[in-house]
Amino acid sequence: KAGVTQTPRYLIKTRGQQVTLSCSPISGHRSVSWYQQTPGQGLQFLFEYFSETQRNKGNFPGRFSGRQFSNSRSEMNVSTLELGDSALYLCASSLERPGRAGSEQYFGPGTRLTVT
Amino acid sequence: KNQVEQSPQSLIILEGKNCTLQCNYTVSPFSNLRWYKQDTGRGPVSLTIMTFSENTKSNGRYTATLDADTKQSSLHITASQLSDSASYICVVGPWGGDKLTFGTGTRLAVRP
Repeated sequence: KAGVTQTPRYLIKTRGQQVTLSCSPISGHRSVSWYQQTPGQGLQFLFEYFSETQRNKGNFPGRFSGRQFSNSRSEMNVSTLELGDSALYLCASSLERPGRAGSEQYFGPGTRLTVT
Repeated sequence: KNQVEQSPQSLIILEGKNCTLQCNYTVSPFSNLRWYKQDTGRGPVSLTIMTFSENTKSNGRYTATLDADTKQSSLHITASQLSDSASYICVVGPWGGDKLTFGTGTRLAVRP
């Protein structure tokens, strides 16, 4: 069974540009969550999608948005990039809502975004 | 406010030694607690998941314990190996399956 895949793996953008990151969950998983991780910081929750609906959102500005498609694939978009957006962006998928006891989250390898 | 605190922030041990990482949480009502291992530049990998009714769970050389009364968990690593060098993240799930709360992790370095 294929794991969670994220594309692209590495990305370099300039301040002010926008970027779209993609996540393909494990087959059959209905939940996708996105996280931002910067050096020295823990995982910061961005948003959670379940069956195409956003169920939870973290404390990030409106420049960060996302969506989930009917095949459970998800994209996140960051507009008007800032230097501080440089980070590892991780996607995780699970069968059910990730907080449930039996719902294990599987993480992708991440997309390393560098903003110059 | 739901919080997960981990200690120590970082730890250096010699290969072959044992170590214990701590996790204290204030998430309420509590449902489950997970430990993840994250190698540098990679996504976290699940080590254990425990519900409120479980006290201990093992995964090879990794053993997690949970005391839901004191809201504490520990991850014990036996006979450490160089490949154990990573960050270990404690994550708590609330009753009802809503948003997970992540700790900031313990960075472990195993030296030869």
